[in-house]
Amino acid sequence: AQSVAQPEDQVNVAEGNPLTVKCTYSVSGNPYLFWYVQYPNRGLQFLLKYITGDNLVKGSYGFEAEFNKSQTSFHLKKPSALVSDSALYFCAVRDTNFNKFYFGSGTKLNVKP
Amino acid sequence: ETGVTQTPRHLVMGMTNKKSLKCEQHLGHNAMYWYKQSAKKPLELMFVYNFKEQTENNSVPSRFSPECPNSSHLFLHLHTLQPEDSALYLCASSQGEGTGLLVRDTQYFGPGTRLTVL
Repeated sequence: AQSVAQPEDQVNVAEGNPLTVKCTYSVSGNPYLFWYVQYPNRGLQFLLKYITGDNLVKGSYGFEAEFNKSQTSFHLKKPSALVSDSALYFCAVRDTNFNKFYFGSGTKLNVKP
Repeated sequence: ETGVTQTPRHLVMGMTNKKSLKCEQHLGHNAMYWYKQSAKKPLELMFVYNFKEQTENNSVPSRFSPECPNSSHLFLHLHTLQPEDSALYLCASSQGEGTGLLVRDTQYFGPGTRLTVL
């Protein structure tokens, strides 16, 4: 079945430390991969996407993500976390074979001072 | 601001009420979406409109009725809802799809309507 998995409901990290939010996917065709962030009482905001080309994608607010085809993963990373990064993060994938769009269940990121 | 607005931001309704959610996008996009967001569940895509035509309906109960009068406006009409329909309803828009050609579009979301069904 086509799907997106975010294995962690919550990630806790200290400010200044590197952070990783994990995402794996399962689709039949070539994937287009996205990360979105949702702050409290707000809609989702686009962070970055991978379509083709360089496996390392850089996005907004210093975030980056690495596409790993063999591991079918697209983990979100940031070298140094900020308290203001605390939010809900969603991974999404577009299955180009069936033109379907799938979101993960979200990972809550808590960055503590 | 993302250029996608939703009204109302909060709505409380009884199971016998009829209400409508409104979404408007100011981005010149041609595709619009309704999503349902429930706690600890993946976002559920409900409906997709591309150039005002409904292109996707993911087995949504008929008590939810979408309407897209033009590419900038999207409505979700609600009737005889159930308490389990309580959720955050998100609208999104994207550039849209050309005929036979997939557009690598990014979706832009509104702030959502927090719906509570009593």
